[in-house]
Amino acid sequence: SYVLTQAPSLSLAPGQTATITCGANNIESRSVYWYQQKPGQAPVLVVYDNSDRPSGIPERFSGSNSGNTATLTISRVEAGDEADYYCQLWDSSSDVLVFGGGTKVTVL
Amino acid sequence: QVQLVESGGGGVQPGRSLRLSCVTSGFIFSDYAMHWVRQAPGKGLEWVAVIWHDGSIKYYGDAVKDRFAISRDNSKNTMYLQMNSLRAEDTANYFCAREEIGTDGVYFQHWGQGTLVAVSS
Repeated sequence: SYVLTQAPSLSLAPGQTATITCGANNIESRSVYWYQQKPGQAPVLVVYDNSDRPSGIPERFSGSNSGNTATLTISRVEAGDEADYYCQLWDSSSDVLVFGGGTKVTVL
Repeated sequence: QVQLVESGGGGVQPGRSLRLSCVTSGFIFSDYAMHWVRQAPGKGLEWVAVIWHDGSIKYYGDAVKDRFAISRDNSKNTMYLQMNSLRAEDTANYFCAREEIGTDGVYFQHWGQGTLVAVSS
């Protein structure tokens, strides 16, 4: 089944662009979903179907999926974006749902 | 509004059993597949299990297969997770989540706040 690989951490200054990747062989053949999780809270969906945003999610959050890498981009990062971010997909060949290991985004 | 409320967590010794519940409201429960997702302290999200809207199909993650059983009672708008032969590595916050269907997959827009299970002697 799929193993989704994410970098453990990312640090950047306010106003910069955060690029969070999720790698797997031929991941572009699956729809990828992204969640933001802050300490002590349940995850919040920020991107679905690779690049769509749920209502209430700022336009600064965008997603893409090509080749072996899906990407969540956060433009003009703010202190409030500091959180863990997880990618996820459904592996229909194995009937399992898979999460990436998560990327901790720190805003300096 | 959609609400998911987990309960049943607590401290338990290794090898013992525990049953979690997820009581839902604000939507037609019998229309949706439901999932359990867990998160060990300081660790990432791990998918546990899914049950189809009518309970006819169930899938499990490898870590819990043959030890955990997911079920639901649509008359009570409630999902359950029966956890047997518990191990220290099952210690986690257990979330229930409502499934949404995407173009080529499933995802979660509604989550509960979780119930903590601590397995220790």
